[in-house]
Amino acid sequence: DAGVIQSPRHEVTEMGQEVTLRCKPISGHDYLFWYRQTMMRGLELLIYFNNNVPIDDSGMPEDRFSAKMPNASFSTLKIQPSEPRDSAVYFCASSPGQGREKLFFGSGTQLSVL
Amino acid sequence: RKEVEQDPGPFNVPEGATVAFNCTYSNSASQSFFWYRQDCRKEPKLLMSVYSSGNEDGRFTAQLNRASQYISLLIRDSKLSDSATYLCVVNRFNKFYFGSGTKLNVKP
Repeated sequence: DAGVIQSPRHEVTEMGQEVTLRCKPISGHDYLFWYRQTMMRGLELLIYFNNNVPIDDSGMPEDRFSAKMPNASFSTLKIQPSEPRDSAVYFCASSPGQGREKLFFGSGTQLSVL
Repeated sequence: RKEVEQDPGPFNVPEGATVAFNCTYSNSASQSFFWYRQDCRKEPKLLMSVYSSGNEDGRFTAQLNRASQYISLLIRDSKLSDSATYLCVVNRFNKFYFGSGTKLNVKP
């Protein structure tokens, strides 16, 4: 299995631009999570999906952030407009669920907003 | 109060030393427990699950104390390659909560 696949690996953009991060979970996993990691705040859960349905988006910082999962093999996290404080590593992770809760991470997207 | 609390370290130990990390969790309804390892600029990776009876995987031993709501990780005969950040993780109703991590530096 290829594991969780994220793209791009690195994104550098200017303040005010739209940023879209992409994730392909492991096939057969029912849960998909988006995390953000910074030195100051550690790993923060932004949103998670179960069977493509958003379950908890209480960690999404504000309306500039949105996430979708149109099908079982693809999810996006969008930031519009981006701000310098959004600079962080964004991880996507998936989990089988159904009592097998182990979490598997993608390699992350390093986002820099100038 | 944070869901999961860990000592950030760093723990600086010589090769061959035994080192122990603890973490505490705040919600007694937490259901499953894990240690993850994260190398610099990499994604977290599962090191081991933690069971109430305690479990061992080679040089690594994990313990769970539900009454006191703490989790421990013991590393014996530490290697240079053990240098990393160790993240304590709890799961409750399919939601994973991460500690901020404990940094370990193993020196030659």
